[in-house]
Amino acid sequence: EIVLTQSPATLSLSPGERATLSCRTSQSVSNYLAWYQQKPGQAPRLLIYDASNRATGVPARFSGSGSGTDFTLTISSLEPDDFATYFCQQRQYWPPLTFGGGTKVEI
Amino acid sequence: DVQLLESGGDLVQTGGSLRLSCAASGFPFSNCAMAWVRQAPGKGLEWVSSLSNDGSKTYYADSVKGRFSISRDTSTSTIFLQMNSLRAEDTAIYYCAKSRVPNSMDMVFDSWGHGILVTVSS
Repeated sequence: EIVLTQSPATLSLSPGERATLSCRTSQSVSNYLAWYQQKPGQAPRLLIYDASNRATGVPARFSGSGSGTDFTLTISSLEPDDFATYFCQQRQYWPPLTFGGGTKVEI
Repeated sequence: DVQLLESGGDLVQTGGSLRLSCAASGFPFSNCAMAWVRQAPGKGLEWVSSLSNDGSKTYYADSVKGRFSISRDTSTSTIFLQMNSLRAEDTAIYYCAKSRVPNSMDMVFDSWGHGILVTVSS
């Protein structure tokens, strides 16, 4: 099973600041990594797939990068709506599909 | 618009059974693989099960294998999760999710239901 480790667990920032979230996998997943955003009481929302492709309707301030075992989700300038928890997910080797433990971006 | 609407969640005793449903609309259901993902209270996301677009291939997490069964009914655009021998650790919000790329086991989930709560208690 591929283990995904997200860091930091919590990121405390202010609106307008840049957010950099990390996801590391226990073995190479090529570029088969996705990022999801989840707000309290809501379902997850797909942001990025295949490491760097924005999903439909996702603002350009969200970008993904990386390959192999190290991946980054960057939010270039935080909007109030971006304060949420972010999860990464790999689909290179499954079952099982696996998710990271999440990074909470808070004010 | 894509809509996924889960139902069937409830409070059930340890060892009991429950059947979740997810009614889909707004996309070509018979072309899309589907999945269930759960989230225990205050915890992260855990993949539970996936099903190919034609229903011929099923996949399960080890934690539910032999107890849960996923299926689909194309005539009603609904997927199901039959859950047997329920344990306290199955307590979670269960989300139905749609795979992004038609006619493939893409397993990137571009649409999610609102989720349904399953509570297992003795």
